[in-house]
Amino acid sequence: DTGVSQNPRHKITKRGQNVTFRCDPISEHNRLYWYRQTLGQGPEFLTYFQNEAQLEKSRLLSDRFSAERPKGSFSTLEIQRTEQGDSAMYLCASSFLRGGDVREQFFGPGTRLTVL
Amino acid sequence: AQSVAQPEDQVNVAEGNPLTVKCTYSVSGNPYLFWYVQYPNRGLQFLLKYITGDNLVKGSYGFEAEFNKSQTSFHLKKPSALVSDSALYFCAVRDTHSGNTPLVFGKGTRLSVIA
Repeated sequence: DTGVSQNPRHKITKRGQNVTFRCDPISEHNRLYWYRQTLGQGPEFLTYFQNEAQLEKSRLLSDRFSAERPKGSFSTLEIQRTEQGDSAMYLCASSFLRGGDVREQFFGPGTRLTVL
Repeated sequence: AQSVAQPEDQVNVAEGNPLTVKCTYSVSGNPYLFWYVQYPNRGLQFLLKYITGDNLVKGSYGFEAEFNKSQTSFHLKKPSALVSDSALYFCAVRDTHSGNTPLVFGKGTRLSVIA
């Protein structure tokens, strides 16, 4: 399978614990995005990378959230001191940017986080 | 700021009938518009996009969408619905005015096709 993969698929944690999610994009894609989706809502943008550079962060991304893409390949999203409001599906997507060409994003299956 | 509205939470249609899922948008400049579909326990799958050119865009699985600049709409359509089309559909927009802005999604419309 050459699509976007995310691990773990499900994570249950207690409030105050730290969690880390991983995203492996499609191999030739240079852009990687993180979104959060809650029940009854569409995905909300969190942050994105072009290669290893984090280019934009949403106001939704509080200082408890940090994302990295150290070698321009896989990415991790860490949430420190989790709160019940962090419970959501965390989606990763990737795309290939070349010049002004507008390419669609390909999404992974998501990581469902439940904070007890 | 860019935004997307999907005015219907749920659309029900009989198998074989045409379907329409509505989407309107608001941007400062010109829009890039996308439709995605989400099946249970699976990620969003790309259906089609409008960047420029013909207002009628054809995509995967027989879906098409019509860009209407005057009505700021990008409704998703299919001439003959299948039960397997039942899923959650999301419209998304990106504003070209502000450079590389991220996608903004609507809340989604649940399509139910009844046999």
